Amino acid sequence: DGGITQSPKYLFRKEGQNVTLSCEQNLNHDAMYWYRQDPGQGLRLIYYSQIVNDFQKGDIAEGYSVSREKKESFPLTVTSAQKNPTAFYLCASSVTRTAQYGYTFGSGTRLTVV
Amino acid sequence: KNEVEQSPQNLTAQEGEFITINCSYSVGISALHWLQQHPGGGIVSLFMLSSGKKKHGRLIATINIQEKHSSLHITASHPRDSAVYICAVGNYGGSQGNLIFGKGTKLSVKP
Repeated sequence: DGGITQSPKYLFRKEGQNVTLSCEQNLNHDAMYWYRQDPGQGLRLIYYSQIVNDFQKGDIAEGYSVSREKKESFPLTVTSAQKNPTAFYLCASSVTRTAQYGYTFGSGTRLTVV
Repeated sequence: KNEVEQSPQNLTAQEGEFITINCSYSVGISALHWLQQHPGGGIVSLFMLSSGKKKHGRLIATINIQEKHSSLHITASHPRDSAVYICAVGNYGGSQGNLIFGKGTKLSVKP
């Protein structure tokens, strides 16, 4: 079945370490997105990519980095520069950048930094 | 003021009750999405609508573009409907196809 796979589901890291969250899709979607969810807040956009080898900052990109070397993969690195990295991270994709056919979401990764 | 407002924030219902969750938005949109987030965190897209009404099983979503308001209804609610329901709006005329999300409505259906 087609879908988005995020791994791992739970991730623990020590403060000051970089960590990379995986997002893979087999839907042949052009666009991919990373969102962050904090308790009591709506999802906020970190980065998005409309096509391979291209990505743009979202509303809260500071302290994060991404790459899009393959159409199916959009990994997110949470760097030590991110001041409050503990959160739930969701990856999503859409057929095209205009998303007129809707979005598909992954199951998320819960990152805890101790 | 948030661009997407949902009400109520929390909702507890008895099994079998009719449930309504509301969403108001203040921006121009191309479509509105209703999403369901289960306790594990994964999100499922329920509806995408730009006008009128859509129905899927016991779920009904309506939108009034002039009033910038949408409702999600659940008929004959069941404990398995317990989840967070999220409203999100998108403007596909923009360069990124991004969504603006509400904070969600946490629904708990008691047996």
